[in-house]
Amino acid sequence: DAGVIQSPRHEVTEMGQEVTLRCKLISGHNSLFWYRQTMMRGLELLIYFNNNVPIDDSGMPEDRFSAKMPNASFSTLKIQPSEPRDSAVYFCASSTSTGLLSGNTIYFGEGSWLTVV
Amino acid sequence: DAKTTQPNSMESNEEEPVHLPCNHSTISGTDYIHWYRQLPSQGPEYVIHGLTSNVNNRMASLAIAEDRKSSTLILHRATLRDAAVYYCILSGFGNEKLTFGTGTRLTIIP
Repeated sequence: DAGVIQSPRHEVTEMGQEVTLRCKLISGHNSLFWYRQTMMRGLELLIYFNNNVPIDDSGMPEDRFSAKMPNASFSTLKIQPSEPRDSAVYFCASSTSTGLLSGNTIYFGEGSWLTVV
Repeated sequence: DAKTTQPNSMESNEEEPVHLPCNHSTISGTDYIHWYRQLPSQGPEYVIHGLTSNVNNRMASLAIAEDRKSSTLILHRATLRDAAVYYCILSGFGNEKLTFGTGTRLTIIP
């Protein structure tokens, strides 16, 4: 089975540009998580969806960040406008919602490495 | 959210067992104990999880204290490929998201 698929794997962009990160969930999963990892702050949860509905977006840093699930298997994380401090690795992860309640695992993608210059 | 406390770093010799501790004194009755690890330049990956009883799988064992306020991840025979950051995380009913702390950076000495 294909795992969580993220794109692009690497992106370098100039400050002020729009960045769109994409994520395809594992088939059958209905919970989606976006994480950001930096050396300074570690692995932070940005937003969590269940059945396409955002459940907790308290980790989204500011209005420049937005996340959507246009369908049950796909999500985007958009940064507009991007700033150098947004440079990080962005991970998408998926799970089953019932699985979370019973302690099952979430599965991470390989990450999107973003550099804003 | 219930928090976990782990040592920042540990070292172990190759081919020896490794015991990674985690304290979670504020764990709730419905919280599962999860362990994930993150190899260099990769996303976190699942290692093991449990609720009350000790658990074994092909990667590791999880020993859970009787009062559930602490747990230990056991790698029975460490290899160089086990060098990673290991995260102990709680989640369950009412706390479905996985909130990662700083974890334990495990170094394996050849």
